[in-house]
Amino acid sequence: EADIYQTPRYLVIGTGKKITLECSQTMGHDKMYWYQQDPGMELHLIHYSYGVNSTEKGDLSSESTVSRIRTEHFPLTLESARPSHTSQYLCASSAGGYANEKLFFGSGTQLSVL
Amino acid sequence: GQQVMQIPQYQHVQEGEDFTTYCNSSTTLSNIQWYKQRPGGHPVFLIQLVKSGEVKKQKRLTFQFGEAKKNSSLHITATQTTDVGTYFCAGQGGSEKLVFGKGTKLTVNP
Repeated sequence: EADIYQTPRYLVIGTGKKITLECSQTMGHDKMYWYQQDPGMELHLIHYSYGVNSTEKGDLSSESTVSRIRTEHFPLTLESARPSHTSQYLCASSAGGYANEKLFFGSGTQLSVL
Repeated sequence: GQQVMQIPQYQHVQEGEDFTTYCNSSTTLSNIQWYKQRPGGHPVFLIQLVKSGEVKKQKRLTFQFGEAKKNSSLHITATQTTDVGTYFCAGQGGSEKLVFGKGTKLTVNP
C-alpha cells in the first residue's frame, strides 16, 4: 500500500547529539517537505525538495539539513541538537503539478532534546 | 509574499452546534485545500477547491471558495465529538508552494 513513513516516532536525546530523522514514501512523488510544528500550533515549512538532488530552505530558518539522493527518501539531519529543537517534525509528499499540491503527511517524529 | 490568514484561532462549541472557520489570502489563489489534524495526529487532506464560487459538501462539512478566489470557509453542521481537532486551510497561488493558515482548533463539549 502506498504510504509515507517516518521513523522514529519518538526520540529523546541529549544536547549536542547528531540525529537523523527518516522519511520515506512509496507513492513515487517528486515533491517532499519537512514541517516543524509545536503542539496544536501552526505548521512551519523548514525544507522542501522538488526532485532528486534538489533541496531548498523553507520559510522558517532551521539549523537542520536535508538530502534527496533517492526519490523515495528525504532524511533530515541535526548536527548538534539543542533544547530549542524540541518539537514535532512532519514529513509530507505530493505528486505536484499545477493546482495539485495535495499533501500526504507522515505520522511525525516527536523530538525532545534534554 | 503570499499570506493566508485563518480565523478564529480557537472555537469551543456544544455538541450539536454549528462551526465555521474562515480563511483569507492576500493574493488570488489557484486552489485552496483543507486539512484536519486530530489531537496527537498528523494533518489529513479533506478537500481541494479550484473553481471560483465552488461549493463542495462532505456529509456535515460544507466547503466554499470565494468568487474572487481569495477566501474560503469550512462549515460543520451539528458538530459531534469526532469533529474535534485543528482545521487548516492551505492556499496555492499559481505555481507557488502551499501556504498554510495558522489553523482553527475546535473543541466540542458533549
